[in-house]
Amino acid sequence: TQLLEQSPQFLSIQEGENLTVYCNSSSVFSSLQWYRQEPGEGPVLLVTVVTGGEVKKLKRLTFQFGDARKDSSLHITAAQPGDTGLYLCAGAGNNAGNMLTFGGGTRLMVKP
Amino acid sequence: EPEVTQTPSHQVTQMGQEVILRCVPISNHLYFYWYRQILGQKVEFLVSFYNNEISEKSEIFDDQFSVERPDGSNFTLKIRSTKLEDSAMYFCASSIAGALTLYFGPGTRLTVT
Repeated sequence: TQLLEQSPQFLSIQEGENLTVYCNSSSVFSSLQWYRQEPGEGPVLLVTVVTGGEVKKLKRLTFQFGDARKDSSLHITAAQPGDTGLYLCAGAGNNAGNMLTFGGGTRLMVKP
Repeated sequence: EPEVTQTPSHQVTQMGQEVILRCVPISNHLYFYWYRQILGQKVEFLVSFYNNEISEKSEIFDDQFSVERPDGSNFTLKIRSTKLEDSAMYFCASSIAGALTLYFGPGTRLTVT
């Protein structure tokens, strides 16, 4: 069974601060996605990383996939109150069914 | 922008009753999924569907669960005899290229009393 552990579970910071969320596993994933989920809604895809060592930037968000494709990080620069939400990582195995294994999520609160 | 839609948004049912959750995936997508999220817990995979058949299912997806694509647009999840522990948010998702880019619907909140 593949598991993804996210840390921290909760993060409360002031506007303008930087933060990093981690997603770790002992398993290798063929790809890893980061989602953001608002209360009462479905996860919304932010980015997919596929290659070990890959770095992708989405405005103030930087996503990195570990060299061994077992871990990933999400770094937010100069956080804003609009970044508040639940961030989920999800890994895809090499199976034909394309099942995603989700992490437990990091709940971020950015205070003005 | 095209999106996955789900109905109903909230379903309340009594234990032992059958429920059907409905989804309309994005029109040109080929892969369809059901996930669920019990309150306060992780999003969990239930089943994936491609080329009119189940391609993978989890141990949660037992004989009480079934999926169907009855026409060219709908994708349904049926729970034959609901249990209290089936209470959860059920998310439908679709993709055009397997697990690389999943688009999730807004979910159906199922409450079993």
